[in-house]
Amino acid sequence: AQSVTQLGSHVSVSEGALVLLRCNYSSSVPPYLFWYVQYPNQGLQLLLKYTSAATLVKGINGFEAEFKKSETSFHLTKPSAHMSDAAEYFCAVSEGGANNLFFGTGTRLTVIP
Amino acid sequence: DADVTQTPRNRITKTGKRIMLECSQTKGHDRMYWYRQDPGLGLRLIYYSFDVKDINKGEISDGYSVSRQAQAKFSLSLESAIPNQTALYFCATSERTVNYGYTFGSGTRLTVV
Repeated sequence: AQSVTQLGSHVSVSEGALVLLRCNYSSSVPPYLFWYVQYPNQGLQLLLKYTSAATLVKGINGFEAEFKKSETSFHLTKPSAHMSDAAEYFCAVSEGGANNLFFGTGTRLTVIP
Repeated sequence: DADVTQTPRNRITKTGKRIMLECSQTKGHDRMYWYRQDPGLGLRLIYYSFDVKDINKGEISDGYSVSRQAQAKFSLSLESAIPNQTALYFCATSERTVNYGYTFGSGTRLTVV
């Protein structure tokens, strides 16, 4: 069975500081992993995805994530937070051949000026 | 125009009323999904459809029904709305495999009073 755990429902960072949002997955087969971002009053937008081509995945807006099979993790990072990064972030998993994505409970990122 | 359009954007309805949320897409995707988002619970799958004749229940389908009127249209109905169906509802589409991720609509905020 596939599932996703996001540690920390709220994360606050200072502007310019490192952003680290944690995601751990459970999957019986090699997974496909995704990070989505939701800005206020908007739908979810794909940030990046892991599809087994490379373990370090670069996405939009300077974000990247590293797939670590030994740790069953897919943490999202950004070297320097910007005020515009304030949003809710969702990690999602799909096993190959699955019918749908399974989402984590989300992490709300606050950026402090 | 947006790739995935949801109507209405906001709706307030009374307990016991029937309400329909509509979704249309221009992506040409076969697969369409309905999710609800609740604070702290992330996104949970209500129904999904692989084509006009293929409708499947998700993890929380009780109290909901759907109709796939055409490849591009997928509607969600609440036959008799109740307050705990107050939530943000999202429609999403995907290609033949979810491994490429979803395209989301902007959501419908539904309040049942």
